[in-house]
Amino acid sequence: QSALTQPRSVSGSPGQSVTISCTGTSSDVGGYNYVSWYQQHPGKAPKLMIYDVSKRPSGVPDRFSGSKSGNTASLTISGLQAEDEADYYCCSYAGSYVVFGGGTKLTVL
Amino acid sequence: QVQLQESGPGLVKPSQTLSLTCTVSGGSISSGSYYWSWIRQPAGKGLEWIGRIYTSGSTNYNPSLKSRVTISVDTSKNQFSLKLSSVTAADTAVYYCATDSSGYRLRYWGQGTLVTVSS
Repeated sequence: QSALTQPRSVSGSPGQSVTISCTGTSSDVGGYNYVSWYQQHPGKAPKLMIYDVSKRPSGVPDRFSGSKSGNTASLTISGLQAEDEADYYCCSYAGSYVVFGGGTKLTVL
Repeated sequence: QVQLQESGPGLVKPSQTLSLTCTVSGGSISSGSYYWSWIRQPAGKGLEWIGRIYTSGSTNYNPSLKSRVTISVDTSKNQFSLKLSSVTAADTAVYYCATDSSGYRLRYWGQGTLVTVSS
């Protein structure tokens, strides 16, 4: 199976909004409402930010939101803050296994 | 809250079997309904899902690794384990264990352990 497709990098200034896309197929992203997003700072374990396409775990700021249209899921971060600078990975259920995206580096300018 | 800690050899020779253990604290591995997963990340690269085992003992594996992977649970030690056979340098990575009650997300993660494959 192939990794989900994410842009290698995105950037934005503090206070702005950025959106990270995650494109799969009808066998993964498009076939299930089970997309999750993870934030990873250098040298740290990933942290769950969004699950089931658009749900936020407790403790995750509401600046983080998720959506999906067809085979593409998106993570939007509004009101960018310096601490949001990190790598972001999407992840989708694919029937009997799980597939990650290649990751997107978010730079806060 | 569930806490996870990976352990195992940091260096494995090519063609040998990589063996890692994830110790669970803050709860019993045999109670409730949880998915116990392994994920890896080569240096500077993205995350790769390896596989998982459910509380019932059923397993799911990454199709690209399935022929070399075994994930099992040891309830007496409150641990679950990963075995990856016939390793090569391409298997060098930080290996994470993770878990959640849902099979569609990974809420709890270990800190990760680096495994290097080299002679």
